[in-house]
Amino acid sequence: AQTVTQSQPEMSVQEAETVTLSCTYDTSESDYYLFWYKQPPSRQMILVIRQEAYKQQNATENRFSVNFQKAAKSFSLKISDSQLGDAAMYFCAYRSLQGAQKLVFGQGTRLTINP
Amino acid sequence: DVKVTQSSRYLVKRTGEKVFLECVQDMDHENMFWYRQDPGLGLRLIYFSYDVKMKEKGDIPEGYSVSREKKERFSLILESASTNQTSMYLCASSSPGNSNQPQHFGDGTRLSIL
Repeated sequence: AQTVTQSQPEMSVQEAETVTLSCTYDTSESDYYLFWYKQPPSRQMILVIRQEAYKQQNATENRFSVNFQKAAKSFSLKISDSQLGDAAMYFCAYRSLQGAQKLVFGQGTRLTINP
Repeated sequence: DVKVTQSSRYLVKRTGEKVFLECVQDMDHENMFWYRQDPGLGLRLIYFSYDVKMKEKGDIPEGYSVSREKKERFSLILESASTNQTSMYLCASSSPGNSNQPQHFGDGTRLSIL
């Protein structure tokens, strides 16, 4: 079974600075998807960014980018120019291409933005 | 816009009660999921459904059941609520196939069992 580990329960960053959230996973599969989800204090989980394992190029969405290291099974999220609205719980998630589209989540990282 | 609606934001029930959590999506998605979210544990899958009347156990199905009589509605049932089921419950839906399309989540139901 796949597992996802986020080793940073909490992180903080100064507004306008850059922060990196870590995520590692364990799988024996060669093709899969990885996601970062954000859960603001209002609680609705929303997608931040996604990565297909077969793509070597790191995904980027505006101020959000990932560092995908397939051999190391690492999938970190970098947030540039942090804004107050980035404060949230961030979850890393894995999805297999096999079977139903179940997501396996990490424990989450609470990100605080200091003004 | 995509919409997943959970019937209650907050719910308080007593030990031994039968509890129903309802989830409705308006995206015509085949797949629907129930997760529970606990601090330090992230989200864990309870049950999922990939079609009407179809269901599969997730990682922590004990003490729960589900019902999917219509495509848009997926209900989570606590047959006899216990205090260790106090948690945040999140419903999600997604389109089928091996696509990279994300799951869409509801706002969550914070359930307290007294």
